[in-house]
Amino acid sequence: GAVVSQHPSWVICKSGTSVKIECRSLDFQATTMFWYRQFPKQSLMLMATSNEGSKATYEQGVEKDKFLINHASLTLSTLTVTSAHPEDSSFYICSVRNPGLGGNEQFFGPGTRLTVL
Amino acid sequence: QQQVKQSPQSLIVQKGGISIINCAYENTAFDYFPWYQQFPGKGPALLIAIRPDVSEKKEGRFTISFNKSAKQFSLHIMDSQPGDSATYFCAAPCLFTSGTYKYIFGTGTRLKVLA
Repeated sequence: GAVVSQHPSWVICKSGTSVKIECRSLDFQATTMFWYRQFPKQSLMLMATSNEGSKATYEQGVEKDKFLINHASLTLSTLTVTSAHPEDSSFYICSVRNPGLGGNEQFFGPGTRLTVL
Repeated sequence: QQQVKQSPQSLIVQKGGISIINCAYENTAFDYFPWYQQFPGKGPALLIAIRPDVSEKKEGRFTISFNKSAKQFSLHIMDSQPGDSATYFCAAPCLFTSGTYKYIFGTGTRLKVLA
């Protein structure tokens, strides 16, 4: 498998503030990481693909200026929710694919619960 | 947008029974179909996956069946246990316009196994 960590595991913030979520690939270098958002009792929705050393690729309908992604190293990607509002409250999960296992297996982090008051 | 249709939405099974979850896809980048198990408040965990060279894969109590002509695959949980109570997601790889691929997830099945 692959070990993926996220920090923080949960965060509560006031409306209008920015929140940064870190995702780390602990046992291999990941040139690509994926950020998902999951609302209660709903499926996983891909927000963006984070590429090391280049710009992230955002899914249709996801505001790139609101959800800033930085993939500065092969083991770390960050998602910053800027000017967060209550509707941004969700479960944010990052994911990586392990190229050493054929490249198809995708593993998820433990998730970050964001609550915006 | 490609879709992966998953059913049922929820499922209640007696302990020791068989849980069956079905998924249907439209088109895929290649034949590789994973299933994920998610407990409340946790990230999804890769449970089992099937590749195109077989029509069925079994790992312990978990079995995937794959029907390429029907574009369907299913998860069977034999001897279901209360600890299996979770939400299960199927996924299928779909092509990006850039030539890479992304996984499209089913809508999820909430399984409850009664003790």
